[in-house]
Amino acid sequence: NAGVTQTPKFRILKIGQSMTLQCAQDMNHNYMYWYRQDPGMGLKLIYYSVGAGITDKGEVPNGYNVSRSTTEDFPLRLELAAPSQTSVYFCASSYNGGTGNTIYFGEGSWLTVV
Amino acid sequence: QKEVEQDPGPLSVPEGAIVSLNCTYSNSAFQYFMWYRQYSRKGPELLMYTYSSGNKEDGRFTAQVDKSSKYISLFIRDSQPSDSATYLCAMRPGSSNTGKLIFGQGTTLQVKP
Repeated sequence: NAGVTQTPKFRILKIGQSMTLQCAQDMNHNYMYWYRQDPGMGLKLIYYSVGAGITDKGEVPNGYNVSRSTTEDFPLRLELAAPSQTSVYFCASSYNGGTGNTIYFGEGSWLTVV
Repeated sequence: QKEVEQDPGPLSVPEGAIVSLNCTYSNSAFQYFMWYRQYSRKGPELLMYTYSSGNKEDGRFTAQVDKSSKYISLFIRDSQPSDSATYLCAMRPGSSNTGKLIFGQGTTLQVKP
């Protein structure tokens, strides 16, 4: 049981390039999330999904796009990378969103935009 | 004003000390309160979860919620070097069914042998 798997672990992008962070979970969770974590700033929600085909914006969605074609996968697309997108990205999943369910996080993807 | 405030530390204590980690918040609608532990270069993992006010104990860890003061705490008894990590508080409204969490900035704890 792998849990939440993110790839790549590390990536360096040049300004203006695009890339996709991959996220997969094998727990049959319907809810999935993308957070970013900047030093001293905690985690900020970028996008989330309550099921296949349904996505919605979080606190900091600008510069990102997501899709959810299957229950298992929730890729995050960065278009026209900017230095402000240098961060650590965490994908997470949970079984439903209410009543204290546990949210499981992946190990993170370290992205540097130069 | 941030919705959730957490002293970033770092906090350094000797092994065996009692550690107190705290968060304050401004949104009175928050009903679910969580503490996550994050080791270096790893994702956060859920440590404690509390609904509404009160205390919850799990081994050496105790979570307290005081909704009247909008203040939550995590106490670690008999701290161990393996407790060295960043501790993040997180919370969300009771009416929310999307699972979206609001996180504090995280407190970095070092327990010295």
